[in-house]
Amino acid sequence: AQSVTQPDIHITVSEGASLELRCNYSYGATPYLFWYVQSPGQGLQLLLKYFSGDTLVQGIKGFEAEFKRSQSSFNLRKPSVHWSDAAEYFCAVGSLGGGGNKLTFGTGTQLKVEL
Amino acid sequence: NAGVTQTPKFRVLKTGQSMTLLCAQDMNHEYMYWYRQDPGMGLRLIHYSVGEGTTAKGEVPDGYNVSRLKKQNFLLGLESAAPSQTSVYFCASNRDRGKFQPQHFGDGTRLSIL
Repeated sequence: AQSVTQPDIHITVSEGASLELRCNYSYGATPYLFWYVQSPGQGLQLLLKYFSGDTLVQGIKGFEAEFKRSQSSFNLRKPSVHWSDAAEYFCAVGSLGGGGNKLTFGTGTQLKVEL
Repeated sequence: NAGVTQTPKFRVLKTGQSMTLLCAQDMNHEYMYWYRQDPGMGLRLIHYSVGEGTTAKGEVPDGYNVSRLKKQNFLLGLESAAPSQTSVYFCASNRDRGKFQPQHFGDGTRLSIL
């Protein structure tokens, strides 16, 4: 069965600083990988996805992520964080087996931005 | 564009009461899902549906039932609520296009069981 590990529960960065959120996955085949963001009291919004091809994927709000098969990682990055980026971030791996496009989520990383 | 709409947004129940959470999507999506979100646990799949009239169990189905009588609606039922079911519930949907399609999420239902 697939699994996702987000080793950092909380991260605090200063506004304008760079950001990297870590994600490691376990999946037998080529993974479908996603990053979602959740603002307080809101649902999850898709930031970016990786299916195949170029291992560096661009998303919304200036985020990018790099797929590294050798490290089973899909880390999320942003060069300069804005105060509005404070939220919870979830990495997820998708599987097609058994019907539906099921997602397995990591436990999330809470991002705090200091002004 | 409404997307995925969940009703109600908040609810407090007493142990043993029953209730139904409604999810409605206006995107003509084939697939729909119910998740629960608990602190430190991420989102866990309760039940899902790949089409009208079909349902299947996810990772944590016990204590819940679902129905998909209409393509646009996916109902989650708690027959006898327990405090362990206090959680935030999210509905999601996506289209079936063979290739993996990202899920669209509702804003959640906060449910407290006393």
